[in-house]
Amino acid sequence: AQSVTQPDIHITVSEGASLELRCNYSYGATPYLFWYVQSPGQGLQLLLKYFSGDTLVQGIKGFEAEFKRSQSSFNLRKPSVHWSDAAEYFCAVGPPSGGSYIPTFGRGTSLIVHP
Amino acid sequence: GAVVSQHPSRVICKSGTSVKIECRSLDFQATTMFWYRQFPKKSLMLMATSNEGSKATYEQGVEKDKFLINHASLTLSTLTVTSAHPEDSSFYICSAFRSGTEAFFGQGTRLTVV
Repeated sequence: AQSVTQPDIHITVSEGASLELRCNYSYGATPYLFWYVQSPGQGLQLLLKYFSGDTLVQGIKGFEAEFKRSQSSFNLRKPSVHWSDAAEYFCAVGPPSGGSYIPTFGRGTSLIVHP
Repeated sequence: GAVVSQHPSRVICKSGTSVKIECRSLDFQATTMFWYRQFPKKSLMLMATSNEGSKATYEQGVEKDKFLINHASLTLSTLTVTSAHPEDSSFYICSAFRSGTEAFFGQGTRLTVV
């Protein structure tokens, strides 16, 4: 079975600083990988996804993530954080199966942005 | 992009009553929909997988008689919390999957049982 580990429950950064949120997965083959963001009381918004190809994936809102097979990681990065980025971030893995998948989510990392 | 609409966004009900939550895919046909429950400061826990025209598949520990799921069409799945109790209070999120792409999420429903 697949699993996702987000080792950091909270991350605090200053506005304008760079950000890296960690995500490690466990799966026997190359899975589909995702990062979602959730604002308080809201649903999930997809930031970016990796299915195959280029291991550096660009997403919305200036985010990017890099798939590293050797480390089973898919860390999310942003060079300069804005106060509006404060939210909960979820990494998810979904093994491809007949063109569909059931995503498994990590526990989430809460991003706090100081002015 | 694809849009998934979930309704209502908030609902308060009395203990013992039933509440229905709707999940609609607005611009695509969703062969599969998922229902999640999210506790405060917790990740999303998959409750069930809903397939159009067939019975839902429930995850272990989820009471299928309490959380009734109906996926009557390719654009609508409903979750009915029957005989709700305060411990059912939670944030429920649906997602709709369009084959060949990723799952799209609704905005969630905050259920409070008083």
